[in-house]
Amino acid sequence: QKEVEQNSGPLSVPEGAIASLNCTYSDRGSQSFFWYRQYSGKSPELIMSIYSNGDKEDGRFTAQLNKASQYVSLLIRDSQPSDSATYLCAGGTDSWGKFQFGAGTQVVVTP
Amino acid sequence: EAEVAQSPRYKITEKSQAVAFWCDPISGHATLYWYRQILGQGPELLVQFQDESVVDDSQLPKDRFSAERLKGVDSTLKIQPAELGDSAMYLCASSLGRVSETQYFGPGTRLLVL
Repeated sequence: QKEVEQNSGPLSVPEGAIASLNCTYSDRGSQSFFWYRQYSGKSPELIMSIYSNGDKEDGRFTAQLNKASQYVSLLIRDSQPSDSATYLCAGGTDSWGKFQFGAGTQVVVTP
Repeated sequence: EAEVAQSPRYKITEKSQAVAFWCDPISGHATLYWYRQILGQGPELLVQFQDESVVDDSQLPKDRFSAERLKGVDSTLKIQPAELGDSAMYLCASSLGRVSETQYFGPGTRLLVL
């Protein structure tokens, strides 16, 4: 069983709508969480990091962390065709502990 | 803006041959990671260095894969002999220090084993 789980998708979202991505993790020792975006054939690029319970907003992106329920989510507001990509959730423990990626959720924004 | 450098970007080889990938992390980043990403899957950690020391290589197939970071700066990942199942994207990432810090990825090396 993977320690970081994501729905593989594809998640189809109309342009201008909100895309909602979810991620669950099994290691209660995980303290840092990251969302990366990966375009086909490219390497992952960081969208956002989150370390504390609650919401964190950056432009059109909002990350939410709930450590009690062991899930992390990412909202993309006003979705654009350029948001079409695979979104990777990753989590790590402090210090030199494990760092793991989920398999990614493919998002397709339709005009 | 500082970036992680990787070479080559693409590599085609025949099975049983040796291949090597090179990575130069962002200057000042103590931690370096090598990942393998198979199409449709998330990156899988192969090896993690803290300076020149290996912190985690539990998922590295040590019978054919080796990695080194001799001076604690750039790193080389080698496969000998390559197998068909090694076809994947090999990603290098670096971070300032701990696992809890952001990792920055290089462009990757796409390997095709024929």
